[in-house]
Amino acid sequence: ETGVTQSPTHLIKTRGQQVTLRCSSQSGHNTVSWYQQALGQGPQFIFQYYREEENGRGNFPPRFSGLQFPNYSSELNVNALELDDSALYLCASGDYEQETQYFGPGTRLLVL
Amino acid sequence: AQTVTQSQPEMSVQEAETVTLSCTYDTSESDYYLFWYKQPPSRQMILVIRQEAYKQQNATENRFSVNFQKAAKSFSLKISDSQLGDAAMYFCAYNRGSRLTFGEGTQLTVNP
Repeated sequence: ETGVTQSPTHLIKTRGQQVTLRCSSQSGHNTVSWYQQALGQGPQFIFQYYREEENGRGNFPPRFSGLQFPNYSSELNVNALELDDSALYLCASGDYEQETQYFGPGTRLLVL
Repeated sequence: AQTVTQSQPEMSVQEAETVTLSCTYDTSESDYYLFWYKQPPSRQMILVIRQEAYKQQNATENRFSVNFQKAAKSFSLKISDSQLGDAAMYFCAYNRGSRLTFGEGTQLTVNP
């Protein structure tokens, strides 16, 4: 078990709605990254936050946005949900210098 | 862009036997990190082992070891004395900077 927690565990939304997913980093970590994992695929990098600033972004549209708070917790916001946004969303925290990331249990999002 | 390829979608092994999972990657960088993660049915991504590219010595963690061939861009995982609890999806991942790039995964079955 890592010290990374995510909430909620499951979520059902309808197309066009907005959703906020939350992550609490492991103690001592200063980066938080978000990944999207579709069924049967490897995780895809969405973005990383370091010192409350975005520090790299994957190939995701602007309707995917995030925040990192001073206590290193983080939010992932997705606006105008689409059916293809249905996936497992993974949060990972780590140390900027070590480049090793530790994952939380994920939030399973279903968009109907 | 970096890519990671796992050519074995599925592998199986008898309990107590040894199995090797393959991974190749493509990068123009000389300094990077490689990882193997395990994802059991609970979907929690668990770090198995990490290799720093500048280290020639292969990483080892208990029953898990890697064969890192930098020139060939190959990074295989060997699991010795396989146990039923090793059954999971295994992902190879590359990290240079903020983002992890994952392969498509290898589903490992352990037969009693």
